[in-house]
Amino acid sequence: EAQVTQNPRYLITVTGKKLTVTCSQNMNHEYMSWYRQDPGLGLRQIYYSMNVEVTDKGDVPEGYKVSRKEKRNFPLILESPSPNQTSLYFCASSRVGGSGNTIYFGEGSWLTVV
Amino acid sequence: AQKITQTQPGMFVQEKEAVTLDCTYDTSDPSYGLFWYKQPSSGEMIFLIYQGSYDQQNATEGRYSLNFQKARKSANLVISASQLGDSAMYFCAMREYGQNFVFGPGTRLSVLP
Repeated sequence: EAQVTQNPRYLITVTGKKLTVTCSQNMNHEYMSWYRQDPGLGLRQIYYSMNVEVTDKGDVPEGYKVSRKEKRNFPLILESPSPNQTSLYFCASSRVGGSGNTIYFGEGSWLTVV
Repeated sequence: AQKITQTQPGMFVQEKEAVTLDCTYDTSDPSYGLFWYKQPSSGEMIFLIYQGSYDQQNATEGRYSLNFQKARKSANLVISASQLGDSAMYFCAMREYGQNFVFGPGTRLSVLP
């Protein structure tokens, strides 16, 4: 089954404790992206990647890191989480060629930083 | 830069009525795609419908249709015969050829019994 898998789905952590949210897709997609969703603010893009070893900042990259060492994985790293990073996070992937390839989303990761 | 506008933060519709959710976009690229996604209260993102910039006809998928007006740069989603299960957030998105996706701020639709 074609899917984007995020882990963990739910996490409560403390301020300053480094954490990684993993994202993996099994569709051989070149494009991957991370979003955060907060009430009333829609989807805000954190980072995206057009292919392996290629990453770009989105709208809200501060406080986050990503890497794209292999095509299927695109982990999101919070080096020193703060309470304002409490949010719902989505990973997504898509083919790059053309403009008609839809984006597939993971189920979301609910992150709470206390 | 690409931009998507959804001017209706919230909408109400009576069950079984039709509703139109607005979306306007801004791009100078002649090749682009427009997408609509639904996010129910459970949180997952569900793909609804796609329209290509070169498509001559408006896209339709079951009760969903996309009213594509290229000159106005609008791509409104029309939901016919609304159902209670249509209550959700709806996001419009655009992608220029081979480029990044851009999402609008979303519209929250509430279907009233």
